[in-house]
Amino acid sequence: EAQVTQNPRYLITVTGKKLTVTCSQNMNHEYMSWYRQDPGLGLRQIYYSMNVEVTDKGDVPEGYKVSRKEKRNFPLILESPSPNQTSLYFCASSIFSGANVLTFGAGSRLTVL
Amino acid sequence: KQEVTQIPAALSVPEGENLVLNCSFTDSAIYNLQWFRQDPGKGLTSLLLIQSSQREQTSGRLNASLDKSSGRSTLYIAASQPGDSATYLCAVPMYSGGGADGLTFGKGTHLIIQP
Repeated sequence: EAQVTQNPRYLITVTGKKLTVTCSQNMNHEYMSWYRQDPGLGLRQIYYSMNVEVTDKGDVPEGYKVSRKEKRNFPLILESPSPNQTSLYFCASSIFSGANVLTFGAGSRLTVL
Repeated sequence: KQEVTQIPAALSVPEGENLVLNCSFTDSAIYNLQWFRQDPGKGLTSLLLIQSSQREQTSGRLNASLDKSSGRSTLYIAASQPGDSATYLCAVPMYSGGGADGLTFGKGTHLIIQP
């Protein structure tokens, strides 16, 4: 089944403890992206990747890192999480950027205490 | 910068009614517009994608229209059912100097269909 898989789905952590949210897609998509969703603010793009080794900042990149060493994987790294990063995170992919249907993962709900 | 607005923010209607959800965007130079559905605690599911050259797209009981010149799109849901209860989001591609690179989303319309 074609899908975008995120892990973990739920995580409670403490301020400053590094964590990684993994994202993997099995559709050979070139484009991958991370969004966060917050009440009243909607979905905002954190980082995106047009292809392997090509990444760029979205609207809200502060406090996050990403890497794209393989086409299928696009992990989101929080080096030193803070409470304002408590959010619902979504990974998404498409064949190539922008002009095609974006397939989303099921989401990862992160709470930073 | 592109801004996407959805009205109403919430809507509750009895089962069986036809309804319209509205989406407006400030920059009409878009490649396409997508409508998504989000169920509580779940990811987003793409419902319809309308290319800029199209006026509308249909999928089952859903019909989405696009008027680029006025910066508007509507999602029409016919004969609504309780299973249609969800949040509906519209989104348009955002642009950088190199081309489209992600989506700008509206904040969604939270729809409740009463049995």
